[in-house]
Amino acid sequence: QSVLTQPPSASGTPGQRVTISCSGSSSNIGSNTVNWYQQLPGTAPKVLMYSNNQRPSGVPDRFSGSKSGTSASLAISGLQSEDEADYYCATWDDSLNAWVFGGGTKLTVL
Amino acid sequence: QVQLVESGGGVVQPGRSLRFSCAASGFTFSNYGMHWVRQAPGKGLEWVAVISYDGSNKYYADSVKGRFTISRDNTKNTLYLQMNSLRAEDTAVYYCAKEKGSAWANGMDVWGQGTTVIVSS
Repeated sequence: QSVLTQPPSASGTPGQRVTISCSGSSSNIGSNTVNWYQQLPGTAPKVLMYSNNQRPSGVPDRFSGSKSGTSASLAISGLQSEDEADYYCATWDDSLNAWVFGGGTKLTVL
Repeated sequence: QVQLVESGGGVVQPGRSLRFSCAASGFTFSNYGMHWVRQAPGKGLEWVAVISYDGSNKYYADSVKGRFTISRDNTKNTLYLQMNSLRAEDTAVYYCAKEKGSAWANGMDVWGQGTTVIVSS
């Protein structure tokens, strides 16, 4: 059972907009910024978003992040087949003194 | 470019020890915190440990506390993970990852390709 809760799966058709949620608590998301990671099949994770809504260079602006209270979300607009991957949220937990990840969301592009 | 290359994986019996190394290049290693993150077969990501830029602060996941030790040698640009009393549930791909800041709270921004340990008798 992950400290951060994500839906196990999400899907959309090319061009659609999909949103992936990440729910936590006051000791993690409520107190710290959230990062998002993308893991394409068979590869190492890659940072997609840091500090809630900051995109590293090279990440398309189709990806956006937000945070409100103890929840965060990742939105992908103009869905493309190459977006099919696993997505993870992560943040520091002040009570655990540990980094915590969501369980991951498998995005399928139909 | 920033590069992290893990090594040291293999097959080990339960209760034995293993040490991973992560060679860093393309950035000033001594300025950044470093993480280990693992992924069991078919499972999600699990954070393992983090060490601050100078090694003075270390934090561990409860699942490995007391068994694993993270360390670094800034003269060799290398991160280590000493794993003792290995269990079957430690079987995973272990990723070395660079921390975005000097400490531990900004998160991982660059990841290695991973090294695998299989704990089995």
